[in-house]
Amino acid sequence: GENVEQHPSTLSVQEGDSAVIKCTYSDSASNYFPWYKQELGKGPQLIIDIRSNVGEKKDQRIAVTLNKTAKHFSLHITETQPEDSAVYFCAASIDSGGNEKLTFGTGTRLTIIP
Amino acid sequence: GAGVSQSPSNKVTEKGKDVELRCDPISGHTALYWYRQSLGQGLEFLIYFQGNSAPDKSGLPSDRFSAERTGGSVSTLTIQRTQQEDSAVYLCASSPRGGKNNEQFFGPGTRLTVL
Repeated sequence: GENVEQHPSTLSVQEGDSAVIKCTYSDSASNYFPWYKQELGKGPQLIIDIRSNVGEKKDQRIAVTLNKTAKHFSLHITETQPEDSAVYFCAASIDSGGNEKLTFGTGTRLTIIP
Repeated sequence: GAGVSQSPSNKVTEKGKDVELRCDPISGHTALYWYRQSLGQGLEFLIYFQGNSAPDKSGLPSDRFSAERTGGSVSTLTIQRTQQEDSAVYLCASSPRGGKNNEQFFGPGTRLTVL
């Protein structure tokens, strides 16, 4: 089955700086890669996703890049703000048009230092 | 509209007791997932329901764990003879029909503590 590894486990950055979180996956058939943000006491929430037919996707201050050959993908947050502090999870799955289960990474706790 | 709700929000039980955790998915969502999140860990897949198909139980850690989804809506996760290692946050998620966008909508979770 799929195995997703995520690094780093914790990350602290100064407000206004950029943050990068990296994930690798094992199953070359995976083609859907979402990122979830989990704030304290809440369930995870989708913030951005990418499919294997594109290499990069951007939404305001967040972007995700995908390297299918190397089987890794990354989350980039620019101009970080205090409200970006949370735990971020990457995930991978095979999107065959149905509701496929996701394999999650172990999470990165991001702390933005004011 | 209403999101995924879970009850109870917190549950403290004694080792050996049975517990039931409830999930109310978003109305009309055909897929429902249960995950376990241990302290400082990622989300561990437990079980997945999709419409009227047989559930994918491949993530259940032991036969003490079971889940039902009645009428294609509400789901109950049951843990029998709880152990201390069952202590975790149990998250439920649902996903709409037509999975081109596989976004899963998560509830707030149930924090289970086994003493």
